[in-house]
Order: sequence, then C-alpha cells, then structure tokens
Amino acid sequence: QQPVQSPQAVILREGEDAVINCSSSKALYSVHWYRQKHGEAPVFLMILLKGGEQKGHEKISASFNEKKQQSSLYLTASQLSYSGTYFCGTGVGAGSYQLTFGKGTKLSVIP
Amino acid sequence: SQTIHQWPATLVQPVGSPLSLECTVEGTSNPNLYWYRQAAGRGLQLLFYSVGIGQISSEVPQNLSASRPQDRQFILSSKKLLLSDSGFYLCAWSWGRSGARNEQYFGPGTRLTVT
Repeated sequence: QQPVQSPQAVILREGEDAVINCSSSKALYSVHWYRQKHGEAPVFLMILLKGGEQKGHEKISASFNEKKQQSSLYLTASQLSYSGTYFCGTGVGAGSYQLTFGKGTKLSVIP
Repeated sequence: SQTIHQWPATLVQPVGSPLSLECTVEGTSNPNLYWYRQAAGRGLQLLFYSVGIGQISSEVPQNLSASRPQDRQFILSSKKLLLSDSGFYLCAWSWGRSGARNEQYFGPGTRLTVT
C-alpha cells in the first residue's frame, strides 16, 4: 500500500524551513527520500533504516519513527535549489527489493 | 564511477505498436535493476525488478514485460501498446542483496507518449 505524504505542496521563501511527512500503514524496515526536479530523474537524498542507521545527504536531516511507521524530512534554511518534488519510498523487509513510493510533495522555494 | 543510460529519451508510438526501451549500467557488476513508470503528477510505480541475469520479478500485471540478457542490461518491452502505457519510464540500479537497504540511482528516463 502506498505511503501517504503531507503536505501535497508547499511554497517557501528562501531561508525558511519545511517539514515533509511520510506515513505508512505497514511496519517498515526502511524509508528512502528522493528529490525530483521537473523533467529529470529522482535523486537520492537519504535512507533511514530500522534500528537507527542513516545514510545520505549531509545538509538534509530526517527522522524515522518505527513504532508510528512515519518519517519526516527536515529542510532548513531553504535555498532555491531545494525546489522540486520530494518522494518517500518505503521498504518492508531487510531482504526485500521493492520500494513503494508516495505521490510526492511539491516544494517551491521563491526569492 | 557508475553511470546509467537509457534510450531513447523520448518516444511517440501509436496504439498497438511494439515497444522496446533499453537501460545499461556502467562501472558496477551484478547490480539490482528496476523499471518504474511515473504517470503525470503521480508517484513512482515499480513495474519490474531483477537481481541477476534472466531473473525478473513482476510487480504489476499488464501488457509489459522485462528481460535482462546481460548483467548490466535491462530491457522493457511490449507487443502492443495501450494508451494507458503513456508515461515517464525510469530505470534504476542499486547495490547489494537488498533493495530496501540500499539507495537507488535513476537513469535519465524515457518519456513515452502513446497516440
């Protein structure tokens, strides 16, 4: 089942902060975050694994609440380059290959 | 470093025509390979994944098929396209034994329009 992302869209001014949420009805092993600019391929940002391991972008932070099956992506001091659509992808097992992606959150950063 | 290629970049095909999209990865061996479709304004839908040559797992029953004839080559095919096959097709690869544990790297994509 597809994870639910919120908000669907957000507009920020440069320097403002934003939080993007991803919620699943299934127990999760991992949450992946990707950013996609219009007409381009998604780019990897971060992975959060059950048990607390994280890997990814130095300037972006995220959290993973395993009990609530939720993850949040924190974008601080936003820059124009942060604009794009953010997707979370969820994995349900350490040995699984599939990720199920949410519908995305469109972030627009304006001067 | 690793590079992933997809071609063609854009394609316009009539309903009922065949389809062949190709994806190749350079700079790594035995990658996990994935085909996704993205409809306008929607998320990424996993179509197929492969953990090795000749090993294909299908996620969505439809008129598409996939093949992996070589370690770093992944092909998406259809015998007869439908209007609903239009979309942005993305190939991706990842390391290791678990797709859920390792990041995926996406190719530039093929934009398919079925008319």
